[in-house]
Amino acid sequence: EVQLVESGGGLVKPGGSLRLSCAASGFSFSSYTMNWVRQAPGKGLEWVSSISSTSTFIYFADSLKGRFTISRDNAKNSLFLQMNSLRAEDTAVYYCARVRGYCGSDSCYAGPDYWGQGTLVTVSS
Amino acid sequence: DIVMTPTPLSLSVTPGQPASISCKSSQSLLHSDGKTYLYWYLQRPGQSPQLLIYEVSKRFSGVPDRFSGSGSGTDFTLKISRVEAEDVGIYYCMQGIQLPNTFGQGTKLEIK
Repeated sequence: EVQLVESGGGLVKPGGSLRLSCAASGFSFSSYTMNWVRQAPGKGLEWVSSISSTSTFIYFADSLKGRFTISRDNAKNSLFLQMNSLRAEDTAVYYCARVRGYCGSDSCYAGPDYWGQGTLVTVSS
Repeated sequence: DIVMTPTPLSLSVTPGQPASISCKSSQSLLHSDGKTYLYWYLQRPGQSPQLLIYEVSKRFSGVPDRFSGSGSGTDFTLKISRVEAEDVGIYYCMQGIQLPNTFGQGTKLEIK
């Protein structure tokens, strides 16, 4: 059974940092592109970032470049999202998701198939 | 960015009756690899999204066959042949042909 379990969310002050983790199991993690997708309270879904299976290709939403970093450890079946300089508008549930598809040098051609339960990040003073 | 526009934004359906949701993309979702990268998700209240349909019409593992997807290019439809109580939630279409992946704002399905 595919399982994705996020952790690391919490309350942080504006300008602060958080590192989210996603523990994957039940599939060959090193073979899949992975995404982070977020959902602000009461709002829709917003793609955050994609990382290809070997970390060769990494993509971010333009509004997040320079503040967020995505990484993975295939030996530990883990995905990470380092979030710096956090703002109130970053408040959201952050989901990690396995991706069905592939990434190339210009984009990913894919969509999430399995999603974690999400971890809530609240940015507030 | 590709804009995904769902119609309607909400619908109320009697159990056992059909339901249909449309989604229009601002650009074609047909890739040169022959695939059309259109996905449908259901987010039940308090839960994470779950994949229903990928690449326009392919039902994901475990998804009941009352769900079906159709369409091409920029116009797509999700149909539920007979709505059940467990189908309540928000339905999102998403394009996966271009980054940033973009989602429609969602269609809320309620049971009458």
